[in-house]
Amino acid sequence: GQNIDQPTEMTATEGAIVQINCTYQTSGFNGLFWYQQHAGEAPTFLSYNVLDGLEEKGRFSSFLSRSKGYSYLLLKELQMKDSASYLCAVLDSNYQLIWGAGTKLIIKP
Amino acid sequence: GAVVSQHPSRVICKSGTSVKIECRSLDFQATTMFWYRQFPKKSLMLMATSNEGSKATYEQGVEKDKFLINHASLTLSTLTVTSAHPEDSSFYICSARVRDNEQFFGPGTRLTVL
Repeated sequence: GQNIDQPTEMTATEGAIVQINCTYQTSGFNGLFWYQQHAGEAPTFLSYNVLDGLEEKGRFSSFLSRSKGYSYLLLKELQMKDSASYLCAVLDSNYQLIWGAGTKLIIKP
Repeated sequence: GAVVSQHPSRVICKSGTSVKIECRSLDFQATTMFWYRQFPKKSLMLMATSNEGSKATYEQGVEKDKFLINHASLTLSTLTVTSAHPEDSSFYICSARVRDNEQFFGPGTRLTVL
C-alpha cells in the first residue's frame, strides 16, 4: 500500500528553526510537495522536490532523499503567521498526489 | 501561478437538497481537475479525478451517484452533492492540473447540511 508519515503536531518558538519530517512509501515517485494550510483555508504550495538535495526558498527549505524515502521541510526565523498545518504529498507513478495527514505547527512567542 | 476559483465559498442547505459547487481555472485550460474532501484536522481525501469530455474517475468508497461530477469545458468542473445529509458536511476543495507535476488549488467550499 501507499503510505506517507509525518508527525501529527510540533511546537516551536518564534524566531527559532523547526524541521518537519516526512517519510513515504508509494508506488512510483514523480516528486514530493510541501503545502501549507491555515485552518479553514485550502492548501498553498510551498515547494517541490524531484531530485535529491536541498531546495532553498527564502525562510523555507525542503530536502529530499529518494533512496531513503525521506523529506523534510525546514522553516527558519519562525513567525507567528507560520502557525499552520504542513502537508507532505507525493506524486505517484500515475501522477496522482498521495497526501500525508499533515503536521500541525504551533508557534509560541 | 495559475488561479483556480470555487463558488460558492460557503453554503448552508437543508437535508435532502442538492448543492452544486463550481471549480474554474481562470487563466489557463485544465484538462484534469481533482475534487477533494477534507474533514476537520484531517488530510485531503481525493474523491474523484475529473477529465474534460469524459466521465470522472471516482476513488474507492466514493458514491458516484451521490457526488456527480461534470467537466464540461477546459475551464469548468462542477461537483453536485445530491440529496445532501448532515454527514456530507465538509470542506470541499478542487484543484486543476497544469502540468504533470503542478496542481493549483481552489479556495475551497464549506458545506454545512442542516
